[in-house]
Amino acid sequence: GAVVSQHPSWVICKSGTSVKIECRSLDFQATTMFWYRQFPKQSLMLMATSNEGSKATYEQGVEKDKFLINHASLTLSTLTVTSAHPEDSSFYICSARGPNYEQYFGPGTRLTVT
Amino acid sequence: AQKITQTQPGMFVQEKEAVTLDCTYDTSDPSYGLFWYKQPSSGEMIFLIYQGSYDQQNATEGRYSLNFQKARKSANLVISASQLGDSAMYFCAMRPPDQGGKLIFGQGTELSVKP
Repeated sequence: GAVVSQHPSWVICKSGTSVKIECRSLDFQATTMFWYRQFPKQSLMLMATSNEGSKATYEQGVEKDKFLINHASLTLSTLTVTSAHPEDSSFYICSARGPNYEQYFGPGTRLTVT
Repeated sequence: AQKITQTQPGMFVQEKEAVTLDCTYDTSDPSYGLFWYKQPSSGEMIFLIYQGSYDQQNATEGRYSLNFQKARKSANLVISASQLGDSAMYFCAMRPPDQGGKLIFGQGTELSVKP
């Protein structure tokens, strides 16, 4: 089956710094990837749709200047949380869209901002 | 607007018993896809089952079956013969048409299987 990886699996950073999360499709090419955010005991909230070679499409209420998304290749999308604050602490999950519009999820990245 | 609703925040089931997790959806589109995912405490999203809006038969995958009632806009997940490893969060999701394949998730149901 299709495999999607995320790196790092967890990260702790200081308030005001930036952190980059990578999402890779390991055995297939993904022109579209999705980034979700999940708070404890809550559902997944779609943040943005990442399209290879073009700008990401952000969901309403998501700050595009704070959550920078780059999809430079068919197997890699990155999410950079800029000037992180404690309220950005969350579980970030990416998924890659397969050829039949199915989604393959990465294992997630737990971000803690101190 | 499309919406997914899971009204059971938490459910308990005895090991080896069957359990039904509820999911209702709201959409005016005739074409859509419905999914169920399992999320254990590790956080990974595990795909369980898929139902297309035009599928005539209810989807089944091993111990999982989807009770699809289109007129009622419900897509309940039935887990038969519950196992302790089934304890997890379960999310229902809908894929609307023409939106690049994005998913809209319900609030989730936390299932606990008792020994």
